[in-house]
Amino acid sequence: NAGVTQTPKFQVLKTGQSMTLQCAQDMNHNSMYWYRQDPGMGLRLIYYSASEGTTDKGEVPNGYNVSRLNKREFSLRLESAAPSQTSVYFCASSEDRALGWNTEAFFGQGTRLTVV
Amino acid sequence: DAKTTQPPSMDCAEGRAANLPCNHSTISGNEYVYWYRQIHSQGPQYIIHGLKNNETNEMASLIITEDRKSSTLILPHATLRDTAVYYCIVIFSRDDKIIFGKGTRLHILP
Repeated sequence: NAGVTQTPKFQVLKTGQSMTLQCAQDMNHNSMYWYRQDPGMGLRLIYYSASEGTTDKGEVPNGYNVSRLNKREFSLRLESAAPSQTSVYFCASSEDRALGWNTEAFFGQGTRLTVV
Repeated sequence: DAKTTQPPSMDCAEGRAANLPCNHSTISGNEYVYWYRQIHSQGPQYIIHGLKNNETNEMASLIITEDRKSSTLILPHATLRDTAVYYCIVIFSRDDKIIFGKGTRLHILP
């Protein structure tokens, strides 16, 4: 039981390049989330998916797209990376719609992305 | 905007109880209070949550005031491994947008 797995763990991109961050959970959770965390800051919600086939914007969605490929996987795509997107990205999952509604949420270990 | 207010940092002596406050004055009747922590740059870890009653688990206790406008997370015997950023989050039972604040950075002093 791996929980929430994110790949890659580290990535360096050049400005304008594109890439997809992968996230998979093996807990049969309905809800999945993508957050970013900048140095010294808290987590900010980028996108979330309450169930397979649905996605919604969070606090900071600009510059990102997401795909809920199936119940297990939720990917985050940067179409044209910018230095402002240098951050640590966390994926999370929980059983119900609200993050941890009457249940705990599980986070991956993060993807450290640098855009130069 | 985050629905909670926390002090940016706190110190606690090792072996003592760490009491972390959180204000959530705009909380409504069906909103839960959750606590998570983040050690170094790892993914956040769930600690405890509650609605109205005080709660206790193997990690911590959560004390919620009667008017529900504030709460306190208690780590009964803090150790150096409890050094982390602690986030207090208010979650509406059907709200999909879960907002983290900046949290409280807890320093455990040897």
